[in-house]
Amino acid sequence: AQSVAQPEDQVNVAEGNPLTVKCTYSVSGNPYLFWYVQYPNRGLQFLLKYITGDNLVKGSYGFEAEFNKSQTSFHLKKPSALVSDSALYFCAVRAPRYNTDKLIFGTGTRLQVFP
Amino acid sequence: DTAVSQTPKYLVTQMGNDKSIKCEQNLGHDTMYWYKQDSKKFLKIMFSYNNKELIINETVPNRFSPKSPDKAHLNLHINSLELGDSAVYFCASSQEREAEAFFGQGTRLTVV
Repeated sequence: AQSVAQPEDQVNVAEGNPLTVKCTYSVSGNPYLFWYVQYPNRGLQFLLKYITGDNLVKGSYGFEAEFNKSQTSFHLKKPSALVSDSALYFCAVRAPRYNTDKLIFGTGTRLQVFP
Repeated sequence: DTAVSQTPKYLVTQMGNDKSIKCEQNLGHDTMYWYKQDSKKFLKIMFSYNNKELIINETVPNRFSPKSPDKAHLNLHINSLELGDSAVYFCASSQEREAEAFFGQGTRLTVV
């Protein structure tokens, strides 16, 4: 079965420090991986994705993520956190091998950036 | 010029009522979805339509019935509302499996 795990419910980081939000996945075949961000009372906004190619992908607002096939991980990173980055972050996977369009989401990680 | 729009944004209703949530996308996408986000913020897919055809129907009570009059619209009708149906419902669309999904702002349904 396909699944996504976000092991941390919350990540706290000081403004200006680097941040990492962890994501691991379980899927057969080559996955399509996505990160989304949700601000309070808002819909989900797309940040970045990995489909194929370079393992390091860059996305919106200075975020990047590294695909690691051996560790089945796709951690979200940013070199210098901003208070405005505080939000709920979701990792998601789509498994094309199963011929489905279903996006499976992790449980979300709340990022809190302190001034 | 909103890409994916849902109406209403808030919906408060009594148990037993029937209600509908409408969704429209102006992106020309072939695939549309309904997701449910519960009070713990868990997101779970309910339905997926591709060119008006039902593709995914997760384990959702029969009281929930999606309808797609054309590929730009996917409405969600809920019969006999229950307290446990209270959640935020998100509509989304995408074009290809490699592409990201675009989400609407959500409809907060409260059943009292």
